[in-house]
Amino acid sequence: QQKVQQSPESLSVPEGGMASFNCTSSDRNFQYFWWYRQHSGEGPKALMSIFSDGDKKEGRFTAHLNKASLHVSLHIRDSQPSDSALYFCAASLTGNTRKLIFGLGTTLQVQP
Amino acid sequence: GGIITQTPKFLIGQEGQKLTLKCQQNFNHDTMYWYRQDSGKGLRLIYYSITENDLQKGDLSEGYDASREKKSSFSLTVTSAQKNEMAVFLCASSNRAETLYFGSGTRLTVL
Repeated sequence: QQKVQQSPESLSVPEGGMASFNCTSSDRNFQYFWWYRQHSGEGPKALMSIFSDGDKKEGRFTAHLNKASLHVSLHIRDSQPSDSALYFCAASLTGNTRKLIFGLGTTLQVQP
Repeated sequence: GGIITQTPKFLIGQEGQKLTLKCQQNFNHDTMYWYRQDSGKGLRLIYYSITENDLQKGDLSEGYDASREKKSSFSLTVTSAQKNEMAVFLCASSNRAETLYFGSGTRLTVL
């Protein structure tokens, strides 16, 4: 069973719209989460990390973590065509990224 | 800023062949990683190294060897390439609990 599950598999939003991604861990020991983004032909790049319950905002990106439900989400407001990419949620047992477990990813397409 | 350089970008091999992928980083990071990315399966950890000459197995280490002879470089060897194997191998580096920085990958095709 995939320990880090993402939904939806793919997502299409209009330019300027809100894109939302979900991630759930099936293992209560995973307490630290990251969001990575991968454009076609490139390696993943980190967007943000979230370790505490609540919201974390960085520019157009907002992450939300609920440790009780092991759920983390990512929201992109004012989506741009350049945001079209594969988005990964990743989790680790501690803040140590040496055992980072990735979800299967959500593909975002932003329609101009 | 720094960069992770993976070579080669594309690697085509024959079944049973031993193939080596190389990775260099100039971040001066302690820890380096090799991940495998298959379509529909996310990223899976093959090996990581927390310092020079250290090697730690990930979840997918069978069929692979790794080598960390210098802080800045980490190589991965596919010990016997499997026919029809196609994947992207991603190298990354980080310092302790910080963010991973990835290279752009080596795309492997086995004929």
